[in-house]
Amino acid sequence: SQQGEEDPQALSIQEGENATMNCSYKTSINNLQWYRQNSGRGLVHLILIRSNEREKHSGRLRVTLDTSKKSSSLLITASRAADTASYFCANAGGTSYGKLTFGQGTILTVHP
Amino acid sequence: GAVVSQHPSWVICKSGTSVKIECRSLDFQATTMFWYRQFPKQSLMLMATSNEGSKATYEQGVEKDKFLINHASLTLSTLTVTSAHPEDSSFYICSALVPGGVSPLHFGNGTRLTVT
Repeated sequence: SQQGEEDPQALSIQEGENATMNCSYKTSINNLQWYRQNSGRGLVHLILIRSNEREKHSGRLRVTLDTSKKSSSLLITASRAADTASYFCANAGGTSYGKLTFGQGTILTVHP
Repeated sequence: GAVVSQHPSWVICKSGTSVKIECRSLDFQATTMFWYRQFPKQSLMLMATSNEGSKATYEQGVEKDKFLINHASLTLSTLTVTSAHPEDSSFYICSALVPGGVSPLHFGNGTRLTVT
């Protein structure tokens, strides 16, 4: 299956700053999801945005979706050291049945 | 709710041996589970879709005879890496879909396999 692209591949910021990660995908989607992965652990779902939505918020997270450009962005505001992790976008293709194609991921490091 | 447990969390085995990894949905029944593989600092690649009571569906390029998947009950799927080789060393993660639910998936914590 095709993998999406994420940029940047790595992002290093100071606590309190905002972190923006971008994701592009190639196929049509039913929804797009963002996950977080701490080193050597499983994935934790952060937020899901449906193909007919353009923006969604959850706490300090803001996700946008531009289906015309096949891209999405994840913004983490007021970052904390505990936000240090890898972040992946994943798209569910034409169905909603959980078969996800993951992007390459962004490694975020937040320095205290 | 919707907890997925994966066991073991890490395993070291010798070349030529087989290793079984279990994925359990603890508080829901999962007719469909997914197995992913992740190399260091890389993304997750879907290996196969595990369907309760039927054969797994493998992604292109994944050897079904090498990666045996059994989904014998609504709460358990197993992945057996047969005749393991060092190149099979990787991080394997399972996920489960709540029946009738739209994704997101619920992921296990993964299994780190090292083949020596």
